[in-house]
Amino acid sequence: ETGVTQTPRHLVMGMTNKKSLKCEQHLGHNAMYWYKQSAKKPLELMFVYSLEERVENNSVPSRFSPECPNSSHLFLHLHTLQPEDSALYLCASSQDTSRSEQFFGPGTRLTVL
Amino acid sequence: GESVGLHLPTLSVQEGDNSIINCAYSNSASDYFIWYKQESGKGPQFIIDIRSNMDKRQGQRVTVLLNKTVKHLSLQIAATQPGDSAVYFCAENKKDSSYKLIFGSGTRLLVRP
Repeated sequence: ETGVTQTPRHLVMGMTNKKSLKCEQHLGHNAMYWYKQSAKKPLELMFVYSLEERVENNSVPSRFSPECPNSSHLFLHLHTLQPEDSALYLCASSQDTSRSEQFFGPGTRLTVL
Repeated sequence: GESVGLHLPTLSVQEGDNSIINCAYSNSASDYFIWYKQESGKGPQFIIDIRSNMDKRQGQRVTVLLNKTVKHLSLQIAATQPGDSAVYFCAENKKDSSYKLIFGSGTRLLVRP
């Protein structure tokens, strides 16, 4: 295991629901990331946090709202999603935001009905 | 524009043979490249990286080659094993942001027994 855990592993939600994805890293890293992985598309960086401060918001719709309460935890709050938001959402962490290895969690498979 | 692409979407090899997975990149200013492996149901796992001041780097059973002249990256896996079956992604470091990795779309490696 990589030391990065994500819950839930699978989530099915309606377009009017509100849900949250959780990520926890046990590596003592200072940077955490949310990525979206859609079928047949490259990984897309969504958000980056460094020492609990958001340093990147990669033109992500406001229906995705990240939260980083401390350096070990990262959340992605979801509301009024669209079916095209169905994807694998991956969390990653790295020692810092310099060019260092990023460790990925197993992902949450999200299906929006 | 900046892009990372893969020549082949699927590669099938006989167990015990060597595998070569190729990747092209377009940003000549990129100076850091990574190969990730993603098994079914798991997040991407770091395999090996290389900086632009190197042409070759070796790990355990894996070798990454970088040809900056033609902007080509390859991953060689020696004595391919069934456990090597996965999707392999190359990623490059975005020139003006140290943590931004641009991922390719992936190559699926199938190992025949």
